[in-house]
Amino acid sequence: GNSVTQMEGPVTLSEEAFLTINCTYTATGYPSLFWYVQYPGEGLQLLLKATKADDKGSNKGFEATYRKETTSFHLEKGSVQVSDSAVYFCALSDRGFGNEKLTFGTGTRLTIIP
Amino acid sequence: NAGVTQTPKFQVLKTGQSMTLQCAQDMNHEYMSWYRQDPGMGLRLIHYSVGAGITDQGEVPNGYNVSRSTTEDFPLRLLSAAPSQTSVYFCASTPTSAAYNEQFFGPGTRLTVL
Repeated sequence: GNSVTQMEGPVTLSEEAFLTINCTYTATGYPSLFWYVQYPGEGLQLLLKATKADDKGSNKGFEATYRKETTSFHLEKGSVQVSDSAVYFCALSDRGFGNEKLTFGTGTRLTIIP
Repeated sequence: NAGVTQTPKFQVLKTGQSMTLQCAQDMNHEYMSWYRQDPGMGLRLIHYSVGAGITDQGEVPNGYNVSRSTTEDFPLRLLSAAPSQTSVYFCASTPTSAAYNEQFFGPGTRLTVL
């Protein structure tokens, strides 16, 4: 079956530090890959996505590249801000009509200190 | 558009009580799903529906029932609540025809079973 393994948290960084959150996956087909973010007290929001090998998703200064050879989708940001404090989830979805199930990683809690 | 709405936001039940968590979306999405979020376990799929009148089990369906009589609504029923069902519940929807399977999440319902 499909699975997602995420870097365990919590992660605490100083403002303007470089961020990497590791994510690797196992899938039988050719999944789409996602990073979702959950701010305190809210539901999940899509942060970025990539649908095929070597695609790079980007949003709000965050980036992640779909690496088929290493089955990875690591999240990076060059300079984090206090407002980036949240829980980040890596997820994959099998392609195909009627099969839009997401498999999530366990989440990584990120705290940015001023 | 209101997006995905969930009610109630908070609920406390006693063991053995029943209740229904409501979920509605106004985006005409065909696919809807329920997840539960527990510490250290990410989100796990409870039940999902690919359209009105069609439902199926996810990863952790025991103790929960669903039905889908309309495209808009997808209620989750707890027939006899147990402390193990203490969790945060999220409803999500996606248009089945979406090529990238992005899911839109509601704000969540925090349930405590005593």
